[in-house]
Amino acid sequence: EIVMTQSPATLSVSPGERATLSCKASQSLSSNLAWYQQKPGQAPRLLIYGASTRATGIPARFSGSGSGTEFTLTISSLQSEDFAVYYCQQHNNWPLTFGGGTKVEVK
Amino acid sequence: EVQLVESGGGLVQAGGSLRLSCAASGFTFSTYSMNWVRQAPGKGLEWVSYISVSSSTIHYSDSVKGRFTISRDNARNSLFLQMNSLRDEDTAVYYCAGVGTRFDYWGQGTLVTVST
Repeated sequence: EIVMTQSPATLSVSPGERATLSCKASQSLSSNLAWYQQKPGQAPRLLIYGASTRATGIPARFSGSGSGTEFTLTISSLQSEDFAVYYCQQHNNWPLTFGGGTKVEVK
Repeated sequence: EVQLVESGGGLVQAGGSLRLSCAASGFTFSTYSMNWVRQAPGKGLEWVSYISVSSSTIHYSDSVKGRFTISRDNARNSLFLQMNSLRDEDTAVYYCAGVGTRFDYWGQGTLVTVST
């Protein structure tokens, strides 16, 4: 099983600042990595797939990068609606696995 | 508009069974593989099971293998999860999610609570 490790567990950021979230895989994923955003009481929402392609309707302030085992989600200028939990997920091997999540909170 | 609507959750005793359903609309369900993903209270996301378009390929997480069965009815645009021998650790919100092996679409989830 591929283990996905996200860091940090919690990120405190002021509105308007940049947020950088990390996701590391225990084996190479090529670019088969997705990012999701989840707000309290809601289902997750796909943000990024293929490591760097924004899903439909996702603002340009969200960007993904990386390949192999190291990936990054960057939110260039945090808006109030961006404070949430973010998960990475690999879809390169079975079983599909998620990282433990990074909570982005208001500083 | 894509909609996935789960139903069938509830309170069940340990060792019991439940059958979850997911009704799909707004896209051609019969051409997409689907999944179940769950989230225990206050915890992260856990993939549970995958089924291909024709049901010919099915995968399960080790935690549910042998106890849960995924199925689909393309004529009724529906996805199912039969859950047997339920355990305390199966308590979670269960989401129907598609498509393929990444999750573009999610339902609102249905809560399964297993009492011991």
